[in-house]
Order: sequence, then structure tokens, then C-alpha cells
Amino acid sequence: DADVTQTPRNRITKTGKRIMLECSQTKGHDRMYWYRQDPGLGLRLIYYSFDVKDINKGEISDGYSVSRQAQAKFSLSLESAIPNQTALYFCATSDTARDSSTDTQYFGPGTRLTVL
Amino acid sequence: AQSVTQLDSQVPVFEEAPVELRCNYSSSVSVYLFWYVQYPNQGLQLLLKYLSGSTLVKGINGFEAEFNKSQTSFHLRKPSVHISDTAEYFCAVGAGGTSYGKLTFGQGTILTVHP
Repeated sequence: DADVTQTPRNRITKTGKRIMLECSQTKGHDRMYWYRQDPGLGLRLIYYSFDVKDINKGEISDGYSVSRQAQAKFSLSLESAIPNQTALYFCATSDTARDSSTDTQYFGPGTRLTVL
Repeated sequence: AQSVTQLDSQVPVFEEAPVELRCNYSSSVSVYLFWYVQYPNQGLQLLLKYLSGSTLVKGINGFEAEFNKSQTSFHLRKPSVHISDTAEYFCAVGAGGTSYGKLTFGQGTILTVHP
């Protein structure tokens, strides 16, 4: 079984709809991240969480919200989806280390979201 | 803040030829550098990372990278590529200070290996 799972894997929705993307991990890691990937732009950080009570905005958080329901679960919501949120979304986890700058991040398989 | 630039968006190469994927970074603090690979329809997988010490880092699948502080580069190399190396490759930088615990990714380089 995969260590980091994302549901759904694919989703097509309409402008204005509320969408939730879910991420679960069995690695026992404290830290979880949400990224979006757009062609030619690489991955950009949306939100990150260092533990259940510590949630932080990334570089492109506008239009998104998150919920850390438990150490193993981190959900990303689009309250009112718009077409420019069409992208590939990745969840990642990493372990707490003395210097977290050196942490390896482990990625889920991604969710391809299309907003019409 | 730090940034990463991957100098080539696409690199076509023939099987068994050598390849170099170029990555430059900028940062005002000490950095840690990573290369990730993304195979079609999959998530990202760590290839290798530089934390400290030897500037030549060896990773999985025969890849290696060299950290060059004076040129602020971390280029990825493989002496002989296989068809199965076709994928997108991402360079990323982690740092301390206000960037603690976060990675900044480059734009990605699509490596296509032709028979």
C-alpha cells in the first residue's frame, strides 16, 4: 500500500463549486504540505502544516483553505472553484528533524483537477 | 528567500548518451539541494540530495549531481541514459531562516530519451 494517498485522483467540476481534496499518510510524519503543479511553473506551495495545531500559508494560498484533521490527514478545499485553479495537486509529508531544511519530502500520486 | 532556475525546459537525448540537466539557485543563507523525478502519471520521487560534505552526490538509478557553491549550481548528470529515464526532473532548494522547513522548486526539465 502507498504511504501517501490522495483522493480523488481525478476530478472535473464547474466554476463556483466547493471542492475538497484529501490526503492521508501512513508514514507517521508530523509535517504535511499541499502543492500545485502547472506546466512550466514547477511546484508551488499552497499550505503547509508542521503539526495538527500549526498550519501556515504558502506562496499561493489565496482561494484555498486547509484542515488538519489528524496527524495522518490533511485536506485542501477550494471554497468556490475557478478555472485558473485547474492544475495537478500534490500532497507531501516529511518527518521532524533537528533541521527540517534537510527533510526529504515524500509525495502522493497527485489529484488532477479540472474546473470548467 | 531562495529561488531555483532550471535552465532547460526540455532535453532530448538518444539512449546510452550522457546527459546533464542544469540547475542554478540563489539564496542568502546556507542551502540544501534536491533533485526529484516525476515519471508519467506519478508523484515525485527523490533522486538525491546535498546536505553538506562532499560536493559530488550520488543518487538512485545511476544519477549524480555536483554542488558548486561559487557558481551556485547543482547540475544533474548521468553517463548513459536509458529509455526508462524519460521523465520530468525537478531541482529544489531548502533553507533555514524564514524558509525553515519549506522547499522551493524549479520549473522542471522534461528529459526524453529516444531509441
